[in-house]
Amino acid sequence: DIQMTQSPSSLSASVGDRITITCRASQSIRSYVNWYQQKPGKAPKLLIYAASRLQSGVPSRFSGSGSGTDFTLTISSLQPEDFATYYCQQSYSTQYTFGQGTKLEIK
Amino acid sequence: EVQLVESGGGLVKPGGSLRLSCAASGFTLSSHSMNWVRQAPGKGLEWVSSISSSTGYIYYADSLKGRFTMSSDNAKNSLYLQMNSLRAEDTAVYYCARAFLLYGSGPPAFDYWGQGTLVTVSS
Repeated sequence: DIQMTQSPSSLSASVGDRITITCRASQSIRSYVNWYQQKPGKAPKLLIYAASRLQSGVPSRFSGSGSGTDFTLTISSLQPEDFATYYCQQSYSTQYTFGQGTKLEIK
Repeated sequence: EVQLVESGGGLVKPGGSLRLSCAASGFTLSSHSMNWVRQAPGKGLEWVSSISSSTGYIYYADSLKGRFTMSSDNAKNSLYLQMNSLRAEDTAVYYCARAFLLYGSGPPAFDYWGQGTLVTVSS
């Protein structure tokens, strides 16, 4: 199975900061990575698909990049509603594994 | 409006069985690949199973070892997950999620999710 490793596991930041979350795959997965946001008690929400494509309705401060094994999710200017947990997911193989999550907290 | 509503969760004893349902509305289930994802309390997301809209093939997480069976009823526009030989580690919120395929046939991304149904396995 393809393992997805996110870093950091948690992150403290302030409103207005620019932050980056990294996801590394255990083998090359081309650009087949999705990113999700999850708030407590809620279902995940798709933010980015195919590494860099912004899902409809998602603010442009979210962006994704990468290919092969290394991927990043960037939030250019944190807003209060962005404090949540973020997950990457590989869709290269049919074992659609997720990363362990990155919890973004207010500093 | 696309909606997914899960049901069937509850408390079950170890070794027992449970059948989850996911009622879809606002789209035709058979036109999309569908998925089950679970989340143990305080833990991350774990993909459970998927059904391909193009082939009908069903994929399962290797860790399930044949205990779970996914199915669908197109007439009812509903998805199911039959869970047998349940263990304490199966305790989780179970989500159904719709997938869209990049360029219509490429790798999936899960664009709509239900609210989840909680399964608790305990004696």
